Amino acid sequence: SYELTQPPSVSVSPGQTASITCSGDKLGDKYACWYQQKPGQSPVLVIYQNSKRPSGIPERFSGSSSGNTATLTISGTQAMDEADYYCQAWDSTVVFGGGTKLTVL
Amino acid sequence: EVQLVESGGGLVHPGGSLRLSCTASGFTVSSTYMTWVRQAPGKGLEWVSVIYTRGNTYYSGSVKGRFTISRDSSKNTVFLQMNSLRGEDTAVYYCATARVTPGYYQFDYWGQGTLVTVSS
Repeated sequence: SYELTQPPSVSVSPGQTASITCSGDKLGDKYACWYQQKPGQSPVLVIYQNSKRPSGIPERFSGSSSGNTATLTISGTQAMDEADYYCQAWDSTVVFGGGTKLTVL
Repeated sequence: EVQLVESGGGLVHPGGSLRLSCTASGFTVSSTYMTWVRQAPGKGLEWVSVIYTRGNTYYSGSVKGRFTISRDSSKNTVFLQMNSLRGEDTAVYYCATARVTPGYYQFDYWGQGTLVTVSS
């Protein structure tokens, strides 16, 4: 079965750039989405089709994908961006990555 | 404004059944792909099921044969009938709208979730 692998945790200082990776076999040939989930809240779509931002998502969130890796980048990271982030793609079924806890410190 | 409100969660014994509801407002469920995603306590997201606008239904391997997704257009509500429940089904169950094209899914709007606990 298809798997998406994310680092369990990423740390970033306020104002710096955070990058969260998502790896899967030939992931660059597929479309990936990214979801943000803050403690006690429901997930929120922050990136779709690899690099598009839904309405209302700040411009500091961006996405890219190439080869076997999709990347979520948060520029000028703010304390409010501290959350779990999940990548998601489709390969015969819907697949989520294991999630990455982003800590802003 | 799109809103999704789940209900029906609770404590159930192993082998028991439960029916979850997801009542939508701001759009018509019969015109939208609707999905269920669950999250076990302290764990990641796991896709469960989807119902297409044409009525086609699909399930993850872990629930196929035990769970059934359906909708009632008159109530603008989507359901998840869960039978033969197991401890590993314990999770918060989220209802979400889905945008689907060949080889691609995205989940745009999510409800607040309802907790299902399977325990004796």
